[in-house]
Amino acid sequence: DAGVIQSPRHEVTEMGQEVTLRCKPISGHNSLFWYRQTMMRGLELLIYFNNNVPIDDSGMPEDRFSAKMPNASFSTLKIQPSEPRDSAVYFCASRLTVISGELFFGEGSRLTVL
Amino acid sequence: DQQVKQNSPSLSVQEGRISILNCDYTNSMFDYFLWYKKYPAEGPTFLISISSIKDKNEDGRFTVFLNKSAKHLSLHIVPSQPGDSAVYFCAASPLLAGNNRKLIWGLGTSLAVNP
Repeated sequence: DAGVIQSPRHEVTEMGQEVTLRCKPISGHNSLFWYRQTMMRGLELLIYFNNNVPIDDSGMPEDRFSAKMPNASFSTLKIQPSEPRDSAVYFCASRLTVISGELFFGEGSRLTVL
Repeated sequence: DQQVKQNSPSLSVQEGRISILNCDYTNSMFDYFLWYKKYPAEGPTFLISISSIKDKNEDGRFTVFLNKSAKHLSLHIVPSQPGDSAVYFCAASPLLAGNNRKLIWGLGTSLAVNP
């Protein structure tokens, strides 16, 4: 299996622009997670889906952030408009079951907002 | 407020010696704990886990110890190897309503194993 695939690996954009990060979870996995990593706050859970349904989006910083999972093999995290404080590494992870088990992470998308 | 704390941001150990990484938590509802390892420019990878019904779990060179009364767990790596140099994250999971689980993460400890 190819693992969790994220794109783009690196994104540099200007403040105010829309950013879309993409994730393909491991085939057959039923849960998908979006995390943000910064030096100050570590790994923060933004949102997670069970069976394509958003379960907990309490970690989404504000209305500028949105996430979708239209099917079991694809999810997007969108930031509109982007701000410099959104600069971070965004990780997508998937898990086989909705109840428990280890998370499998993608390699991350490094976002820089100028 | 950090519910999972890794108080040592970094640790340096000589090859062949033991590495001990520590983690403290505050929420007594946590009942499942995991350690992840992260290399630069890669995502975290699962290393080892422990359920609150146990106080020790071992997998090769890696052993995790759980002290529930102290709300403390530690990861022991014996013997340490240069390839173990990475950032280690402690994560804890409460059993939530509806059997949903999410992980609460520490900030990580950067381990350097010197040849």
